[in-house]
Amino acid sequence: GENVEQHPSTLSVQEGDSAVIKCTYSDSASNYFPWYKQELGKRPQLIIDIRSNVGEKKDQRIAVTLNKTAKHFSLHITETQPEDSAVYFCAAHNPNEKLTFGTGTRLTIIP
Amino acid sequence: DGGITQSPKYLFRKEGQNVTLSCEQNLNHDAMYWYRQDPGQGLRLIYYSQIVNDFQKGDIAEGYSVSREKKESFPLTVTSAQKNPTAFYLCASSPQGARNQPQHFGDGTRLSIL
Repeated sequence: GENVEQHPSTLSVQEGDSAVIKCTYSDSASNYFPWYKQELGKRPQLIIDIRSNVGEKKDQRIAVTLNKTAKHFSLHITETQPEDSAVYFCAAHNPNEKLTFGTGTRLTIIP
Repeated sequence: DGGITQSPKYLFRKEGQNVTLSCEQNLNHDAMYWYRQDPGQGLRLIYYSQIVNDFQKGDIAEGYSVSREKKESFPLTVTSAQKNPTAFYLCASSPQGARNQPQHFGDGTRLSIL
């Protein structure tokens, strides 16, 4: 089955700086990679996703890059703001199986 | 998402008791999922269903049971066999059996032992 590793587990960034969270996956058949943001005690919410036929996708301050050869994908948040503080989860989906989540990154934005 | 409703928000279980967590969606999604989240941990899949009257075990199904009699509903029962049920339970749904489609989550149920 799929195995997703996520790093770092915690990340503190000065407000206005950029944050990068990295994930690797094991199954080369995985072709869909969503990122979720979860605030304390709340539901995970999809913030961006990427499919395997695309190398990069951007939505305002958030971008995701995918390297299929190396089997890794990353979340980039620029010009960080206090409301970006949350736990972020990556995930990988093999079309024949379920979605596998990473273990999460707790991002703290320091004012 | 307002389209997925989980109830109750908080639930307490006594020793030897079965409890059922409700999950209802009005998104017309085919697939539904139950996840368990422990403090500081990721999401672990308990059960999932890609179509009515069918469901499969996830990674941690022991001590849990589900049913999928209606497309809109996917209740999870935490049985007395689950010795460590304290966790945050999240229900999710997605269209078309989650083939490259995002999952949408409910607000969760926090289960504790009395």
